[in-house]
Amino acid sequence: GQNIDQPTEMTATEGAIVQINCTYQTSGFNGLFWYQQHAGEAPTFLSYNVLDGLEEKGRFSSFLSRSKGYSYLLLKELQMKDSASYLCAVMDSNYQLIWGAGTKLIIKP
Amino acid sequence: GAVVSQHPSRVICKSGTSVKIECRSLDFQATTMFWYRQFPKKSLMLMATSNEGSKATYEQGVEKDKFLINHASLTLSTLTVTSAHPEDSSFYICSAREVESGHTFGSGTRLTVV
Repeated sequence: GQNIDQPTEMTATEGAIVQINCTYQTSGFNGLFWYQQHAGEAPTFLSYNVLDGLEEKGRFSSFLSRSKGYSYLLLKELQMKDSASYLCAVMDSNYQLIWGAGTKLIIKP
Repeated sequence: GAVVSQHPSRVICKSGTSVKIECRSLDFQATTMFWYRQFPKKSLMLMATSNEGSKATYEQGVEKDKFLINHASLTLSTLTVTSAHPEDSSFYICSAREVESGHTFGSGTRLTVV
């Protein structure tokens, strides 16, 4: 079966760095996405990785290892507004998104 | 970038009535759109894949007669929740696939059935 695993909840301090991991097992692979979702709102796109390595975009970076079925989202210089759920999703061989359950990130002052 | 408009953003309806939710791709043509449902503190659950000009493909456990999907044009897909009941209250989100590497989400519709 297809499976996406990510931690349910994480807590970090304002100004610090946090890494959210995602492991996956899917039928085919056409890229991995990270989305941010604030409560009551639709997800917003953060990053897309289809090749191994690190993609950096401002305070956010995303890493992919296809051989390990592993990705992480790295958030630097955390701000209170980064408190949200972070969803990992893999596009399978049919180009459908398979979703993880999301990681709720709590930022403390 | 690609924009998907979803309307309405919030709707309250009486039990037994039907509600239509629209999803429009504003600056691109989307042959495929997706409808999701999300429960509080849960991830997105794919309900169905909407294909322009053909029948939607429903995920296991989703009632086709309950959740009617119409994708009549390359820029519009609609989801109609028929004979809505309180258990249908949820957050419904659509997405459109522009190219093979990306999904763009609508802003979501909060449905409350009273």
